[in-house]
Amino acid sequence: EAGVTQFPSHSVIEKGQTVTLRCDPISGHDNLYWYRRVMGKEIKFLLHFVKESKQDESGMPNNRFLAERTGGTYSTLKVQPAELEDSGVYFCASSLGNTGELFFGEGSRLTVL
Amino acid sequence: KNEVEQSPQNLTAQEGEFITINCSYSVGISALHWLQQHPGGGIVSLFMLSSGKKKHGRLIATINIQEKHSSLHITASHPRDSAVYICAVRKPGNQFYFGTGTSLTVIP
Repeated sequence: EAGVTQFPSHSVIEKGQTVTLRCDPISGHDNLYWYRRVMGKEIKFLLHFVKESKQDESGMPNNRFLAERTGGTYSTLKVQPAELEDSGVYFCASSLGNTGELFFGEGSRLTVL
Repeated sequence: KNEVEQSPQNLTAQEGEFITINCSYSVGISALHWLQQHPGGGIVSLFMLSSGKKKHGRLIATINIQEKHSSLHITASHPRDSAVYICAVRKPGNQFYFGTGTSLTVIP
């Protein structure tokens, strides 16, 4: 069975451009989480979907970040316009139910120049 | 101050040594996770704990809910154990808080 997959694995863009990160959770997992780690800091929670609904988006840093999960399957995280401080690794994780074990993707590294 | 504190931040051990990584947290939790990240790799969940102790191979994880503390032990450490180990706690509302990680290097 495929695990959590994320695309792209690495994206390099210029400040002001737009980037869209994609996460495909494990099939059937209703809970999907986005996290990010910026250089030298701990991983921080961004938001949590249950199916297609945003359960908690308290970790989203500002309105330049938009996450969607249409149809309750894959999710996208768009950053528009990107700023230098958005550079980091964006992780996606999924679980079955809200108490299930978390499965993480490999992460998408974003570099904003 | 981070809600989850890990120690040590960096750890170097000789192959075969017994290793302990500690995690303290300051929030009420529904579960605690130990995660492993190899250099350049993704994150793998090692354990999910809500009480007591779990063992998987050479890895043992314990949690003391009253003291808000967990430990990850590695017995008979091996160079392939070299990785970053991350403690993460899940709050009852499902938000997660992560420690900064412990970078472990096991020398042959």
